[in-house]
Amino acid sequence: DSGVTQTPKHLITATGQRVTLRCSPRSGDLSVYWYQQSLDQGLQFLIQYYNGEERAKGNILERFSAQQFPDLHSELNLSSLELGDSALYFCASSVGPLYLETQYFGPGTRLLVL
Amino acid sequence: DAKTTQPPSMDCAEGRAANLPCNHSTISGNEYVYWYRQIHSQGPQYIIHGLKNNETNEMASLIITEDRKSSTLILPHATLRDTAVYYCIVRVASWDTGNQFYFGTGTSLTVIP
Repeated sequence: DSGVTQTPKHLITATGQRVTLRCSPRSGDLSVYWYQQSLDQGLQFLIQYYNGEERAKGNILERFSAQQFPDLHSELNLSSLELGDSALYFCASSVGPLYLETQYFGPGTRLLVL
Repeated sequence: DAKTTQPPSMDCAEGRAANLPCNHSTISGNEYVYWYRQIHSQGPQYIIHGLKNNETNEMASLIITEDRKSSTLILPHATLRDTAVYYCIVRVASWDTGNQFYFGTGTSLTVIP
């Protein structure tokens, strides 16, 4: 158990809909990262937040957005969903914004868009 | 960040040492080598990291060549639970880019009874 929690574990929705994935980092960690893992593209970094501020951006679509709240939990919002958005979404956390930051991953949310 | 090259798959007999190679010939002086593994769609799990010196922890050993162009992750006594995809990541963390990890395709290790 990494100490990172993600909800829900599974999500089934339809194309065009909007969903919100939630992540609670390990106690004391200030950074939260979001990754997408689909069958054809492997594990892709989406975005990083550090202490409430966006820190780094990866291959995140404009239809996707994220935020980190004052209690440090984070939400990833996916809108106008397409079939290709079906994937595992992982959240990870680390103590600080960079340097020797080991990332600890949550169990993931499996999203299926029908 | 420097790219890494790993064999797509490997087998290892249970109880034997698993040696997973990684090439990172374009690594620069301030880039660290990290190893993570992912067991069947679970969240990736940190294993070990190093810069120049060999490192050992309760899970594995990391051997980095003197020129730092390659490294080997060693699982000393592989068990069936070590069957997973192993990712070698070379990473420099900076204020400009945050702490992104590029996971690549990894090595799928199968431990055989």
